[in-house]
Amino acid sequence: DGGITQSPKYLFRKEGQNVTLSCEQNLNHDAMYWYRQDPGQGLRLIYYSQIVNDFQKGDIAEGYSVSREKKESFPLTVTSAQKNPTAFYLCASTFVASSGANVLTFGAGSRLTVL
Amino acid sequence: GENVEQHPSTLSVQEGDSAVIKCTYSDSASNYFPWYKQELGKGPQLIIDIRSNVGEKKDQRIAVTLNKTAKHFSLHITETQPEDSAVYFCAASRVGGFKTIFGAGTRLFVKA
Repeated sequence: DGGITQSPKYLFRKEGQNVTLSCEQNLNHDAMYWYRQDPGQGLRLIYYSQIVNDFQKGDIAEGYSVSREKKESFPLTVTSAQKNPTAFYLCASTFVASSGANVLTFGAGSRLTVL
Repeated sequence: GENVEQHPSTLSVQEGDSAVIKCTYSDSASNYFPWYKQELGKGPQLIIDIRSNVGEKKDQRIAVTLNKTAKHFSLHITETQPEDSAVYFCAASRVGGFKTIFGAGTRLFVKA
């Protein structure tokens, strides 16, 4: 089955530690995204990548870093510089629908808790 | 900046009743409006979408309406069932664009 796999599903981190969230897709999609979800708020864009070896900052990139060395993979590192990292993180990729729109397909998410 | 407002934040209905969720967008260049359903512990899934050249779209028990002039769009669920209970997000973007702006979400409870 094609899809997006995020790991780990749950992650606990001590303050001051960096942590990397994995995102792998076998959908052959070019563009990939990282969103952050907090209770009562919509999804906010952290970073996105339209193509291998290229990525752009989203609305809340501070304290995060990404890489895109392979089409299938788009890992997100939450650094110690992120002031409030506890959240649910969603990875997504897009395909172009017949309407011409970029349709988002999401992974199941990773819940990060900072102790 | 670009913004999507979504109401209500919580909605409780009796099984079999209809549910309506409303959104307003600020970017007049937005022309693609998807709706996502998120079940507990899962990622959002696209349930229906509409482009700005269409005023209404229906898929079985769900429908979406769009008023471009007022920058309003709404999700309508008829004959609600307990499995419709979830968080629903509206969103707005531009066809061919890479940024999607999401509403804050509506938690729908369908009581059996």
